[in-house]
Amino acid sequence: QKEVEQDPGPLSVPEGAIVSLNCTYSNSAFQYFMWYRQYSRKGPELLMYTYSSGNKEDGRFTAQVDKSSKYISLFIRDSQPSDSATYLCAMSASGGGADGLTFGKGTHLIIQP
Amino acid sequence: SQTIHQWPATLVQPVGSPLSLECTVEGTSNPNLYWYRQAAGRGLQLLFYSVGIGQISSEVPQNLSASRPQDRQFILSSKKLLLSDSGFYLCAWSVGNKETQYFGPGTRLLVL
Repeated sequence: QKEVEQDPGPLSVPEGAIVSLNCTYSNSAFQYFMWYRQYSRKGPELLMYTYSSGNKEDGRFTAQVDKSSKYISLFIRDSQPSDSATYLCAMSASGGGADGLTFGKGTHLIIQP
Repeated sequence: SQTIHQWPATLVQPVGSPLSLECTVEGTSNPNLYWYRQAAGRGLQLLFYSVGIGQISSEVPQNLSASRPQDRQFILSSKKLLLSDSGFYLCAWSVGNKETQYFGPGTRLLVL
């Protein structure tokens, strides 16, 4: 079983729809969770960061973490064509910064105008 | 503000040739530095990380090596490239005990 599972998509939705992106993981030691957005041929950019379980909201984006289910989500409200990108979940067990992150393979999202 | 640079942006190299990719970070001191490779359908794989000058940890055995000659410079090298080294190479940085990592623009390497 892979450490982080993420549906690769593509996920295609109409403009204005609510988008739900998800990852599941197997390592119960993970406690730091991130979502990155990656446009084609660009480096990933950090969108959201959460620690442990709970919700975090930033504008149109909401990140949720359910550690009991080992499941994290990213919701995008009022989706825009500019949201079309690949979304990567990432997680880490330590807060020391000396370890790399464990990434999902990414979900390719397409917002249809 | 912090900025991370990578070059070159794109590279096409023959099998067996050497490789040198460079990453530099501006606007921060003593960053943790990382090299990742992103291959199609395989996600991001951590190759090396460094917590200081001359300190390199390797995550996977491979044909590549890394060096950190200066505080904000991280270099990825190979003596002889393999076809399987093709991919998108990303440098990232973090600071201190922060978990969040910030990525550079990447280098696309094609080995023919």
